Amino acid sequence: DGGITQSPKYLFRKEGQNVTLSCEQNLNHDAMYWYRQDPGQGLRLIYYSQIVNDFQKGDIAEGYSVSREKKESFPLTVTSAQKNPTAFYLCASRPTRGTDTQYFGPGTRLTVL
Amino acid sequence: QKEVEQNSGPLSVPEGAIASLNCTYSDRGSQSFFWYRQYSGKSPELIMSIYSNGDKEDGRFTAQLNKASQYVSLLIRDSQPSDSATYLCAVGVASGTYKYIFGTGTRLKVLA
Repeated sequence: DGGITQSPKYLFRKEGQNVTLSCEQNLNHDAMYWYRQDPGQGLRLIYYSQIVNDFQKGDIAEGYSVSREKKESFPLTVTSAQKNPTAFYLCASRPTRGTDTQYFGPGTRLTVL
Repeated sequence: QKEVEQNSGPLSVPEGAIASLNCTYSDRGSQSFFWYRQYSGKSPELIMSIYSNGDKEDGRFTAQLNKASQYVSLLIRDSQPSDSATYLCAVGVASGTYKYIFGTGTRLKVLA
């Protein structure tokens, strides 16, 4: 099956710990995105990547880091510098040719204890 | 700051009625517009995309775009209880790189 997978589905973290959220896609899409969603809010862009080994900060990049070593993978690390990390994290991808429609993974819900 | 605005709702409509969801955007250079449906606790799923002024129909859904007024809407005909969800409007912005600006969503309740 083609699609976007995110793991884990639920993640609990103690304050002061770094955690890494996984995002993998087998759609052969070039562009990948990370969003954060808080209750009753829209999606806010954290980081995005148009090609391998290149990525740009979004609107709320502070306290987060990413890497794009492979086309299929775009992991997000939530560092201890992120003051309020409890949220729903969504990964998305988009082909860079033919369509500009973005498709989402199932999401990871992160809770800081 | 580019913005996309939606009424947060909830918008309540009886089963079988037409639900009308609205969205305005600030960037006149926007070229692509999307409606996503999001059930509670789930990720957004694409309902419609529209690129040209006018109407685009897909089953019970019709997207309407008016670039002069910077307005995009989604009509849901014969609304069903299963349509109850939050509907997110998104605008594609191309300025060197390509990214999306999302509204905060409108919560729709279809009453049986």
